[in-house]
Amino acid sequence: AQSVTQPDIHITVSEGASLELRCNYSYGATPYLFWYVQSPGQGLQLLLKYFSGDTLVQGIKGFEAEFKRSQSSFNLRKPSVHWSDAAEFFCAVGANNAGNMLTFGGGTRLMVKP
Amino acid sequence: DAMVIQNPRYQVTQFGKPVTLSCSQTLNHNVMYWYQQKSSQAPKLLFHYYDKDFNNEADTPDNFQSRRPNTSFCFLDIRSPGLGDAAMYLCATSRVLDGHEQYFGPGTRLTVT
Repeated sequence: AQSVTQPDIHITVSEGASLELRCNYSYGATPYLFWYVQSPGQGLQLLLKYFSGDTLVQGIKGFEAEFKRSQSSFNLRKPSVHWSDAAEFFCAVGANNAGNMLTFGGGTRLMVKP
Repeated sequence: DAMVIQNPRYQVTQFGKPVTLSCSQTLNHNVMYWYQQKSSQAPKLLFHYYDKDFNNEADTPDNFQSRRPNTSFCFLDIRSPGLGDAAMYLCATSRVLDGHEQYFGPGTRLTVT
């Protein structure tokens, strides 16, 4: 069975600072990896995804993530955070098996200081 | 734009009074999911439909039921809501039933009084 760990429950950064949110997964083969963002009272919006190929993937809103197989990680990064980035971020893992559901991490809440 | 729509966005019901939440999609996806999300937690999958095939998660209470009358619509019925059922309910869709990305609606916030 697959699992996802987001070690940081809360992160606070200053506006304009860089950001890295950690995600570690457990899965026997190459997984499908996703980052979703959720603003308060809203649904989940897909930021980016990795299926195969280039291990550095670009997403919306200036976010990127890097798949590192050796570390079983898929960390999310942004060079310069904006106040509007404050939200809850969820990492998720899936696999190319029929009937396989997405497994979500516990989420990281990002707060941005002015 | 193709999308997932949930109605209503906010629902208040009384303890024990049945309530139905609605989800529709214009993506023409085969799979529709219902999740329950409590405050500061990850979404928890309740069940999903692959076309007309219904799949219940093992730990989903019997109090929760679902209907999918056609490809576009899916309903979540809570037969006798308890205070512990107050949560955000998220509907999602995916094109196929594998680990590909899911598209989420904005959610319905359910309050039980």
